[in-house]
Amino acid sequence: QVQLVESGGGVVQPGRSLRLSCAASGFTFSSYAFHWVRQAPGKGLEWLTIISSDASLKYYADSAKGRFTISRDYSKNTVYLQMNSLRPEDTAVYYCARTRNFDYWGRGTLVTVSS
Amino acid sequence: VMTQTPLSLSVTPGQPASISCKSTQSLLHSDGRTYLSWYLQKPGQPPQLLIYEVSNRFSGVSDRFSGSGSGTDFTLKISRVEAEDVGVYYCMQSVQLLTYAFGQGTKLDIK
Repeated sequence: QVQLVESGGGVVQPGRSLRLSCAASGFTFSSYAFHWVRQAPGKGLEWLTIISSDASLKYYADSAKGRFTISRDYSKNTVYLQMNSLRPEDTAVYYCARTRNFDYWGRGTLVTVSS
Repeated sequence: VMTQTPLSLSVTPGQPASISCKSTQSLLHSDGRTYLSWYLQKPGQPPQLLIYEVSNRFSGVSDRFSGSGSGTDFTLKISRVEAEDVGVYYCMQSVQLLTYAFGQGTKLDIK
């Protein structure tokens, strides 16, 4: 069955970096685009970025441009989100999701940016 | 921008419920498809896809859920609300790869 499992979250100080991972299984990884979406505590969903199936296209929300980078590793069936210069307002649960319709989601990983 | 109404609703089990979602731009793509989806986020869980491309139920989704609309105005209907339908419902547009956007969310609870 389709599974997406995020990892890499934790507590980090402002200004530091973190790399999140999304391990995919149960389907042909190379055939699908992936997104990262976040949800601040008690808030709604915020789309961050997408990477196409062949990694040739990457798009970012304004809140992610310049600080976040999405990538993928076909040998590991994994999508990454590199987050730099983290701010307290980046505190959220980060989800990965599959395809244009966001048909499957992981359970998320919590990132807390605090000194 | 996606605007959902109402932001909350309380429904008696067995009664219908309806959520509106309006976009500031047409969600009709040049490929002829309209990219409007609906998601339910149950308490403590990630969102789950209910409806894609306006009216297509995702695999395993109850036929109590239906979607309709066109252009900029869309509606999610639940024919008979059950206790398991509690959570926050989000609409989302994906017509433009650069600007995916979720609605603010509509919280549904049971009376």
